[in-house]
Amino acid sequence: GAGVSQSPSNKVTEKGKDVELRCDPISGHTALYWYRQSLGQGLEFLIYFQGNSAPDKSGLPSDRFSAERTGGSVSTLTIQRTQQEDSAVYLCASSFGGTSYGYTFGSGTRLTVV
Amino acid sequence: KQEVTQIPAALSVPEGENLVLNCSFTDSAIYNLQWFRQDPGKGLTSLLLIQSSQREQTSGRLNASLDKSSGRSTLYIAASQPGDSATYLCAVTTGNQFYFGTGTSLTVIP
Repeated sequence: GAGVSQSPSNKVTEKGKDVELRCDPISGHTALYWYRQSLGQGLEFLIYFQGNSAPDKSGLPSDRFSAERTGGSVSTLTIQRTQQEDSAVYLCASSFGGTSYGYTFGSGTRLTVV
Repeated sequence: KQEVTQIPAALSVPEGENLVLNCSFTDSAIYNLQWFRQDPGKGLTSLLLIQSSQREQTSGRLNASLDKSSGRSTLYIAASQPGDSATYLCAVTTGNQFYFGTGTSLTVIP
């Protein structure tokens, strides 16, 4: 597509429920990144995909968080047994990969755990 | 671990002024640096990307410089406009991820 698309744009869920966040990157972008932005905080790296593999999962905050990417395209970030501290804006970005290219970000999913 | 700092945290200027936003980073072994703007409730919009071998990039009223050896970058905005009001973020990459500063919140007063 023309840009990075994320869905849903807003999600309110009850504590303890599982949620899935979706990211559809720019066509042809091989690299895909998930970041989290909590209120008043900077962007926190979660995970990086190159193609379908995730060489860097170092930012996932706990084993309740997982992500996958299929067909070198769409990625899903899953949070199990959500906690209130998971409330944040989850941002996805994609890139042509390699170190010479910058990122293009989606508009994010605002997750609120009540 | 790479640490990115942006100063000031907030800035308010009258319309028409030229201004400079600062970004510093602790590990000079970066591949590139990118400046973004973020409007309230929105995602990030890329403004300028500077490769590690470059000293500056320009786009319209924006000019970004990079001094890798000293770990500094500046974003210069000429003739500021109310539409420039946003949070400006700088980010550097040393590998598989970008490290972000916490941003400078800019308000341009009409």
